[in-house]
Amino acid sequence: DAKTTQPTSMDCAEGRAANLPCNHSTISGNEYVYWYRQIHSQGPQYIIHGLKNNETNEMASLIITEDRKSSTLILPHATLRDTAVYYCIVEKGGTSYGKLTFGQGTILTVHP
Amino acid sequence: NAGVTQTPKFRILKIGQSMTLQCAQDMNHNYMYWYRQDPGMGLKLIYYSVGAGITDKGEVPNGYNVSRSTTEDFPLRLELAAPSQTSVYFCASSPVVNTEAFFGQGTRLTVV
Repeated sequence: DAKTTQPTSMDCAEGRAANLPCNHSTISGNEYVYWYRQIHSQGPQYIIHGLKNNETNEMASLIITEDRKSSTLILPHATLRDTAVYYCIVEKGGTSYGKLTFGQGTILTVHP
Repeated sequence: NAGVTQTPKFRILKIGQSMTLQCAQDMNHNYMYWYRQDPGMGLKLIYYSVGAGITDKGEVPNGYNVSRSTTEDFPLRLELAAPSQTSVYFCASSPVVNTEAFFGQGTRLTVV
């Protein structure tokens, strides 16, 4: 699986958009980009995933560059409850049986 | 809907003791996984299963064993506990690949 690079930490003001970047320059054509988060050492929580196109759900938006070498997770209106570690993961899909390789992620702190 | 249930939530073991970490899911998912998370680190895959009767090693399988006799249950066995196995253990499941994984709340294990 391709390696990902994320900033160690980021800050965001409550109510503002949080934009979390991820670099995955060695991604191959059949690899998906996933985002998970972990709050207070609870079990990781799925946020969103995509292959080529931008994706949006009730939690967030995922913007993938045209060359697929990087992506951005957008939390449109961050709240204090969004403070967590955010993991960007690249995964092969079928041939890897859904196995996820977690890096150290980005610690997002949302301030009042 | 209970999702993924792990028991126990906390356990202290003495060196050389054995124990089984239980994981059950009620979503009829084919894929199940065991991860461990050391302090300040991302999760690492121990074992995974693609269906009842089928298991395979992940990144860090040494010192652990698994079985999958039913779709619902995926227990993780520690035979001879060592201090290096002090960690938080997470079980996860997913219905198919290329979709979200659901995580349990974790078992915090300390070996002394």
